[in-house]
Amino acid sequence: DVKVTQSSRYLVKRTGEKVFLECVQDMDHENMFWYRQDPGLGLRLIYFSYDVKMKEKGDIPEGYSVSREKKERFSLILESASTNQTSMYLCASSLGGVGGNTIYFGEGSWLTVV
Amino acid sequence: QQQVKQSPQSLIVQKGGISIINCAYENTAFDYFPWYQQFPGKGPALLIAIRPDVSEKKEGRFTISFNKSAKQFSLHIMDSQPGDSATYFCAASTRMKTSYDKVIFGPGTSLSVIP
Repeated sequence: DVKVTQSSRYLVKRTGEKVFLECVQDMDHENMFWYRQDPGLGLRLIYFSYDVKMKEKGDIPEGYSVSREKKERFSLILESASTNQTSMYLCASSLGGVGGNTIYFGEGSWLTVV
Repeated sequence: QQQVKQSPQSLIVQKGGISIINCAYENTAFDYFPWYQQFPGKGPALLIAIRPDVSEKKEGRFTISFNKSAKQFSLHIMDSQPGDSATYFCAASTRMKTSYDKVIFGPGTSLSVIP
């Protein structure tokens, strides 16, 4: 089974802190994603990466950056956390190549910024 | 044009009943329509998906109906069970010029199946 592992399930950070959310996938997938999930807004794409060291902005990239130094690892960085970034963050991965690939999600990281 | 609309926002169904969730899209470039199911405390997981060359796909108690001309698709859960209680997301995707899909998710429907 594909496994997407998010290292931190629950975090509480202070406003202005730098926050790192780490994600690892074990199926050699080319594509990796970071989504943000908020009630009533569904899943919104923050950033994605289709290859090592490659990244593309999603729909809501402001206030975030990402890093993909190895194929299996994709990190989300909040340079200066703010209270409006309190949310659930989902990492995901999928195969490249032919379209219509399943997206495999991790279990999520709940971030509270106080 | 990139939006996927989903209704209802929440749904309560009696055990054994039929749950119906509707979605609509605008962009005719979308060519793959998956549904994801999310249980509390878990990430979403693929439930069932359809391509626009067919009007219906059935997997067990779950059926997707697809109306290409109306740009609408829906999920039907037959004989709904308490274990089906979850949040359901419809999505639409299209292949981009590189090797990834642009996936747009609907806002989700919270389904509660009561005994």
